[in-house]
Amino acid sequence: EVQLVQSGAEVKKPGESLNISCKGSGYNFARYWIGWVRQMPGKGLEWMGIIYPGDSETTYSPSFQGQVTISADKSINTAYLQWSSLKASDTAMYYCVRLFPLGSSYGYFDYWGQGTLVTVSS
Amino acid sequence: QSVLTQPPSVSGAPGQRVTISCTGSSSNIGAGYDVHWYQQLPGTAPKLLIYGNDNRPLGVPDRFSGSKSGTSASLAITGLQAEDEADYYCQSYDSSLSGSEVFGGGTKLTVL
Repeated sequence: EVQLVQSGAEVKKPGESLNISCKGSGYNFARYWIGWVRQMPGKGLEWMGIIYPGDSETTYSPSFQGQVTISADKSINTAYLQWSSLKASDTAMYYCVRLFPLGSSYGYFDYWGQGTLVTVSS
Repeated sequence: QSVLTQPPSVSGAPGQRVTISCTGSSSNIGAGYDVHWYQQLPGTAPKLLIYGNDNRPLGVPDRFSGSKSGTSASLAITGLQAEDEADYYCQSYDSSLSGSEVFGGGTKLTVL
């Protein structure tokens, strides 16, 4: 059974750094793109970016380029979403997703993690 | 402002049929990229509902169907049930700028 299990909720202060994780199981982790999706409180879904764990090729949404870093460690089947300096506006639920490819790096999200709630408040 | 446009809300009585539209442009749906739909029940992660315009994953009831034409797509739900009350999102790929997956703004379905 394919599963994406995310790390737990985080409460941070503005300016702090953060790293949240997403561990895949039940499939060949290195061979499927893993993406991240943001959902701010009461709002819709926003695609942030995606990584191919096999070679760490990464693509970011223009809206999130330079704001976050996406990485992966295929040896432990885990992808990461990192912030170097959090802002209050980063408060949101973050989902990791597996991309089923229809093209080189696009397709649909067939599996979703349970979400990680990040709260940034002074 | 989402790249794909959905109505903020739709409603229907149990047993009725409702449709949710998803309007794009020549750089996404109109360029031939597939449209996919997700259902987000309250307090849960989204779930894949329709992929490749009109395909249902295993376990999704045939009351849900998708279609695509030109620069738009639609999700239809027949025989509405109370448990269908949720947020629905369309998703496609946009080839403008550096290329990006894109979502619609979401539609809240209320079962009256």
